[in-house]
Amino acid sequence: DAKTTQPTSMDCAEGRAANLPCNHSTISGNEYVYWYRQIHSQGPQYIIHGLKNNETNEMASLIITEDRKSSTLILPHATLRDTAVYYCIVLYNFNKFYFGSGTKLNVKP
Amino acid sequence: DGGITQSPKYLFRKEGQNVTLSCEQNLNHDAMYWYRQDPGQGLRLIYYSQIVNDFQKGDIAEGYSVSREKKESFPLTVTSAQKNPTAFYLCASRLAGLNTDTQYFGPGTRLTVL
Repeated sequence: DAKTTQPTSMDCAEGRAANLPCNHSTISGNEYVYWYRQIHSQGPQYIIHGLKNNETNEMASLIITEDRKSSTLILPHATLRDTAVYYCIVLYNFNKFYFGSGTKLNVKP
Repeated sequence: DGGITQSPKYLFRKEGQNVTLSCEQNLNHDAMYWYRQDPGQGLRLIYYSQIVNDFQKGDIAEGYSVSREKKESFPLTVTSAQKNPTAFYLCASRLAGLNTDTQYFGPGTRLTVL
């Protein structure tokens, strides 16, 4: 089963881009990478997902390396409300999402 | 107003009592999931169901039970056999079992066993 590793925490200045890395070196060819975030004591919120091409939506961009062993979530202009725990998740066996411990992003004024 | 509802938001029980957590969705999703989250930790899968009247154990199913009698509902029972039941419990649903189907979460129930 593919697993993910992320830094425990990161800081970002308000208005700057936040780049959150994730390693998923054991990912297999048909496993998607998903990103969610969780604000304290709430349910996780979906951000974006991708297979091998870069993806962008209104919230963020997802950059996946060509070998698919790592990815980066980019929040282009971080605000204080983006302070949360960000989870990089691999969907495996078509039905199971593996959540690691995530990265605590602290956006500072 | 569509979505996933979990009730109650906070739940207190005495040790040794069974307790059932509610999860309802009106998204017409086939698959539903239960996760447990401990402080400072990620989510761990307890049970999941891909279709009515069928469910599978996740990574930490011991001490828990579920049922899936209706598509909209997936209640979780925390039994007295669960050694450390105090935790934050999250329910989620997905349209189907395709790789591209996003999982959506409810607001969670915080269970405290006294």
